[in-house]
Amino acid sequence: AQKVTQVQTEISVVEKEDVTLDCVYETRDTTYYLFWYKQPPSGELVFLIRRNSFDEQNEISGRYSWNFQKSTSSFNFTITASQVVDSAVYFCALSSAGYALNFGKGTSLLVTP
Amino acid sequence: DAGITQSPRYKITETGRQVTLMCHQTWSHSYMFWYRQDLGHGLRLIYYSAAADITDKGEVPDGYVVSRSKTENFPLTLESATRSQTSVYFCASTPLDLTDTQYFGPGTRLTVL
Repeated sequence: AQKVTQVQTEISVVEKEDVTLDCVYETRDTTYYLFWYKQPPSGELVFLIRRNSFDEQNEISGRYSWNFQKSTSSFNFTITASQVVDSAVYFCALSSAGYALNFGKGTSLLVTP
Repeated sequence: DAGITQSPRYKITETGRQVTLMCHQTWSHSYMFWYRQDLGHGLRLIYYSAAADITDKGEVPDGYVVSRSKTENFPLTLESATRSQTSVYFCASTPLDLTDTQYFGPGTRLTVL
């Protein structure tokens, strides 16, 4: 069975603070894929990143970075110098061969000025 | 490039009525998916399709019917709507397989009175 747990349900920060969203997963597969999606208040789901289980290199994209650690089954997402536009619900998800995307329940991030 | 579209965007119906939600993609992606999003549950998979005339159940298929006669369309039908089916429904597609990145439509907000 596969499971994704997003540790924080809600996070509130003040603009320019760094914030980390934690994602812990469970799977018996050795090959799997991890994702992060963003859902802004407008409601659409925006793809952010996909990583496979064999690539543990951290990824940085602008103010966004992701830390993948197989040893702790975690795929955490950090926003550096947060901005009001980062306010959204963020979903972590997991898939593997034969299994469709399994989403966590989401972390709601509020960034206040 | 329209990508993936859903119609209607908003729908109000009554208990017991049949309602069909439409999903159309212009990418010729093989796989298509239907999810529902409810507070506290994140996104849950209803049905998915690997190709025309091939469909499979997801986590919460009861009360829903799907068909896929053409690659680009994947309608979701609620044969006899219930209040518990009030939700936001998202359609998604992916070009290759279940582990590939899914791209989501804008969603349909369905209210069953």
